[in-house]
Amino acid sequence: DSGVTQTPKHLITATGQRVTLRCSPRSGDLSVYWYQQSLDQGLQFLIQYYNGEERAKGNILERFSAQQFPDLHSELNLSSLELGDSALYFCASSVDGGQGEQYFGPGTRLTVT
Amino acid sequence: GESVGLHLPTLSVQEGDNSIINCAYSNSASDYFIWYKQESGKGPQFIIDIRSNMDKRQGQRVTVLLNKTVKHLSLQIAATQPGDSAVYFCAEKGPGYALNFGKGTSLLVTP
Repeated sequence: DSGVTQTPKHLITATGQRVTLRCSPRSGDLSVYWYQQSLDQGLQFLIQYYNGEERAKGNILERFSAQQFPDLHSELNLSSLELGDSALYFCASSVDGGQGEQYFGPGTRLTVT
Repeated sequence: GESVGLHLPTLSVQEGDNSIINCAYSNSASDYFIWYKQESGKGPQFIIDIRSNMDKRQGQRVTVLLNKTVKHLSLQIAATQPGDSAVYFCAEKGPGYALNFGKGTSLLVTP
């Protein structure tokens, strides 16, 4: 158990819908990272937040957004969902802004039908 | 563009043998590399890391070798056990300290 929690574990929704994925980092970790894992693209970095502010951006679509709240938990919002958005979404956390080891949560499996 | 890639998609080894998983990277500016293990249904788990000022680092049953000249790193697992069966990813720290992952190598340990 990495100490990072993600909810929900599974999510099934229809195209065009919007969903919110939630992540709670390990106690004391200030950074939260979001990754998408699909069979054809592997693990892709989406976005990083550090202590409430966006720190780095990767291959995140404009339909996707994220935020980190004062209690350091983070949410990833996916809107106008397409079939191709079906994937595993992982959250990771680290104690600082990027030097430390990243601890991954168990992931949320999103299925868009 | 810059990328991190794995040489082999699958690797099958016998229990007790040593395993070697290879990874190539293309960004010569990368200065930090990590190996992760991902078991089925779980998130990636940190195994070992290495900075570019080193060429070898050892952990418990694992060794990472870094060859900056040819931009290659490898993960060696000694006395491979059934519990080592998983997908192994190498990753590099990119801009903003985001991890850039390779595609992964599936390691299968047979009895």
